[in-house]
Amino acid sequence: AQTVTQSQPEMSVQEAETVTLSCTYDTSESDYYLFWYKQPPSRQMILVIRQEAYKQQNATENRFSVNFQKAAKSFSLKISDSQLGDAAMYFCAYRSANKINDMRFGAGTRLTVKP
Amino acid sequence: KAGVTQTPRYLIKTRGQQVTLSCSPISGHRSVSWYQQTPGQGLQFLFEYFSETQRNKGNFPGRFSGRQFSNSRSEMNVSTLELGDSALYLCASKRGLADYNEQFFGPGTRLTVL
Repeated sequence: AQTVTQSQPEMSVQEAETVTLSCTYDTSESDYYLFWYKQPPSRQMILVIRQEAYKQQNATENRFSVNFQKAAKSFSLKISDSQLGDAAMYFCAYRSANKINDMRFGAGTRLTVKP
Repeated sequence: KAGVTQTPRYLIKTRGQQVTLSCSPISGHRSVSWYQQTPGQGLQFLFEYFSETQRNKGNFPGRFSGRQFSNSRSEMNVSTLELGDSALYLCASKRGLADYNEQFFGPGTRLTVL
């Protein structure tokens, strides 16, 4: 079974600094998708960034980038120039490309941004 | 374009009762998934509906059921409520089954079982 592990329950970062959130996953499949979702205190979850496993290039979305290490089954999220609005729960998620409804989430990392 | 909406936002029930939650997807989205979020178990997939058919189901007991209407709106029903069913229930929609890339979540329904 695929599992997603986020080993950091809580992280904090100073405003304008950079922070990296860790995520590892376990799978026997070669084709899958990885996601980082953000859930602010208002609870509406939004997609931050996604990565297709077949792509070697790390995904980037403005201040958000990932370090995807397929062999190590690692998918970390780097947030640069952190802003107060980045404070939220961040969930790493895995979705199989074969079992289209098999989506697994990590336990989440609560990010605090200090002014 | 309106986002995913869920009603009600908050619900309080007692053990043994049943509850129905509603989700309206983004216009044009035909896939609706349901998730349960609890502090202990995190986010867990319940089921996904597409074209009024349940396409897959997570590892939840039969007390959890759902359906989808022709306008893609979906309802989730939980019968014989247990204290452990207290959770935030999230609905998410996307265009189609094969549209892996972006799933849009609703604000959730907070269910409290007393």
